Amino acid sequence: SQKIEQNSEALNIQEGKTATLTCNYTNYSPAYLQWYRQDPGRGPVFLLLIRENEKEKRKERLKVTFDTTLKQSLFHITASQPADSATYLCALNSNSGYALNFGKGTSLLVTP
Amino acid sequence: DAGITQSPRYKITETGRQVTLMCHQTWSHSYMFWYRQDLGHGLRLIYYSAAADITDKGEVPDGYVVSRSKTENFPLTLESATRSQTSVYFCASSGQNYGYTFGSGTRLTVV
Repeated sequence: SQKIEQNSEALNIQEGKTATLTCNYTNYSPAYLQWYRQDPGRGPVFLLLIRENEKEKRKERLKVTFDTTLKQSLFHITASQPADSATYLCALNSNSGYALNFGKGTSLLVTP
Repeated sequence: DAGITQSPRYKITETGRQVTLMCHQTWSHSYMFWYRQDLGHGLRLIYYSAAADITDKGEVPDGYVVSRSKTENFPLTLESATRSQTSVYFCASSGQNYGYTFGSGTRLTVV
């Protein structure tokens, strides 16, 4: 069956450090992978999209890598800030088309 | 205001009642989606739509009905609400191969 796995344990890091979140998937052949941020009581917010032929993508303090051989994406936040504290979701387009399937998310807590 | 709007924000209903959750977007995005989010399950796709009058089932469609007579609206109806449908419901829209824009969600409680 198709699975998207994100670390269920919360990630606690100190302000200024780099946070690295992992997304692993099985039985997908995604054309692209996306990362979202979700704050409590709010809808997810789109952060980055990376296509299958791209190895890495950056946006300000965010960096995403996509390894289709390992079936893994890494999401990095450099110089992390307490305002980065949230749940981060990984999403892949389903094999049947354009709809996204989401992982359960990893909670990030950045402490001063 | 431009954006994606869900209503109501909160809803309490009784088992067996029909409930409709509304979703309206102002970007003329082709694609629209309904997800439910529950602890332990994450976001699960209920129904989605590529254009007006085109809808497809997602992972958990049972007990739900959708329609899309206009591009900007994508209502979700629970035909006969059950307690297992207590959840937070998110509507989203997107252009092709772009990130989704989500609404603020509807917190539905079925008693």
